[in-house]
Amino acid sequence: DAGITQSPRHKVTETGTPVTLRCHQTENHRYMYWYRQDPGHGLRLIHYSYGVKDTDKGEVSDGYSVSRSKTEDFLLTLESATSSQTSVYFCAIRGGGGEYDTQYFGPGTRLTVL
Amino acid sequence: GQQLNQSPQSMFIQEGEDVSMNCTSSSIFNTWLWYKQDPGEGPVLLIALYKAGELTSNGRLTAQFGITRKDSFLNISASIPSDVGIYFCAGRSMEYGNKLVFGAGTILRVKS
Repeated sequence: DAGITQSPRHKVTETGTPVTLRCHQTENHRYMYWYRQDPGHGLRLIHYSYGVKDTDKGEVSDGYSVSRSKTEDFLLTLESATSSQTSVYFCAIRGGGGEYDTQYFGPGTRLTVL
Repeated sequence: GQQLNQSPQSMFIQEGEDVSMNCTSSSIFNTWLWYKQDPGEGPVLLIALYKAGELTSNGRLTAQFGITRKDSFLNISASIPSDVGIYFCAGRSMEYGNKLVFGAGTILRVKS
């Protein structure tokens, strides 16, 4: 258990509404990640953070923004949700260190955009 | 496009059988990770590999870091019903900015 929680676990929203997903970790990890999971695509990186206020884009960042004002919280925002953003969203933290790093995942948030 | 090719996409096996799956790429990787995901949950790390040729076990699971550094293999021996789930490979490569990239997953179903 890497001490990662995500909220909400499930959300249904309408097209055009803003949505914020929260990831919370209890172990002071520097790196945090947001992925989305869609059938046939595995996990794809949306954004990641390498410290408070330090974030960068991943492979599928369009339509998403992130913020990290505290070490323990990493927020993912969909400014204006679209149906193509219906997905399962996972937060992850980086464990290990140096060449031995790995990633541990939270339980996920299932988002449905109608 | 998919950076990692994971196969097979899905498989049915008899309880007690051994299972093999693999992940290949045209790029060189310096880390391979294998995860299992149960329905409604996040992926759980099974095995991590960091050196070419490395062979690592975790109970009935054994994974290998291919000698060419372009592939990895996961074997499950004597499968049981709780092995059902989706298995993902993930790798880290300088070609992808040292960020993890994932295979599309292997869905494992066990015939009881």
